Amino acid sequence: SQKIEQNSEALNIQEGKTATLTCNYTNYSPAYLQWYRQDPGRGPVFLLLIRENEKEKRKERLKVTFDTTLKQSLFHITASQPADSATYLCAPDSSGGSYIPTFGRGTSLIVHP
Amino acid sequence: NAGVTQTPKFQVLKTGQSMTLQCAQDMNHNSMYWYRQDPGMGLRLIYYSASEGTTDKGEVPNGYNVSRLNKREFSLRLESAAPSQTSVYFCASSGDGTGDYGYTFGSGTRLTVV
Repeated sequence: SQKIEQNSEALNIQEGKTATLTCNYTNYSPAYLQWYRQDPGRGPVFLLLIRENEKEKRKERLKVTFDTTLKQSLFHITASQPADSATYLCAPDSSGGSYIPTFGRGTSLIVHP
Repeated sequence: NAGVTQTPKFQVLKTGQSMTLQCAQDMNHNSMYWYRQDPGMGLRLIYYSASEGTTDKGEVPNGYNVSRLNKREFSLRLESAAPSQTSVYFCASSGDGTGDYGYTFGSGTRLTVV
C-alpha cells in the first residue's frame, strides 16, 4: 500500500536560515503533491501544489521540488522567521485515480529568534 | 468571511450517544471531505462527496455516516459513539477534482467520547 514518510522529529533552525523539510513516498506514483501548514488548534492551510512534470515551484520564500525518480519532495523556506514555526504536511494524491490527497504525519518546524 | 465553517467546536459524548457534526462552505465548491486527525496518525479520510448527491467511503468510514444536504453542506453522523472515535474532525472543500488550488479546511471539531 502507499506510504508517505515525513520526519517525525522537529526541525529546529535559527532565524534567517533556510529550512528544508522532506517528504518521501513509496509504492505509487502521484500525479501531484501538495504542501500544507498547520498551526496548533487550527485546520491545515494550503501552501503549494507541484505536479509530476514540474521539477520545482516557488511562491515568495517557499520552494518545492518534486523528484519522481527518488520519490521525494523537498520543501524549503528561505530567510525563515519565528512566524514560520508550525507543522508542515505533505499530501500526495492517492493512488487509484481519485486525486484525493493522502496526508503525511507532518514535520514540526521551530524557528528560533 | 469565505471559507469552511464547522460546528460545534468542542463536544463531549458518552459511549453510545449519537451526534452530527455540521459543515458548510460558501465558496461554491463541488467537493467536500471529512477527515479525522489523531496524534501520530496524520489526517485520515473518512468520507467524501465529489458533487452534490454523491458520497463515497474513504480510508476509515466504519462507525460514520454522511449526508450531502446540498452543495454547501456536508454533515458527518456518529450513530453510536465509541471511545476510539475520540479525535479532531476536519471538514474540507475543494473546487477542482485535481486539487489545483488545494483544499480549504475548517477549524475542526474536538470530540471526546467517554
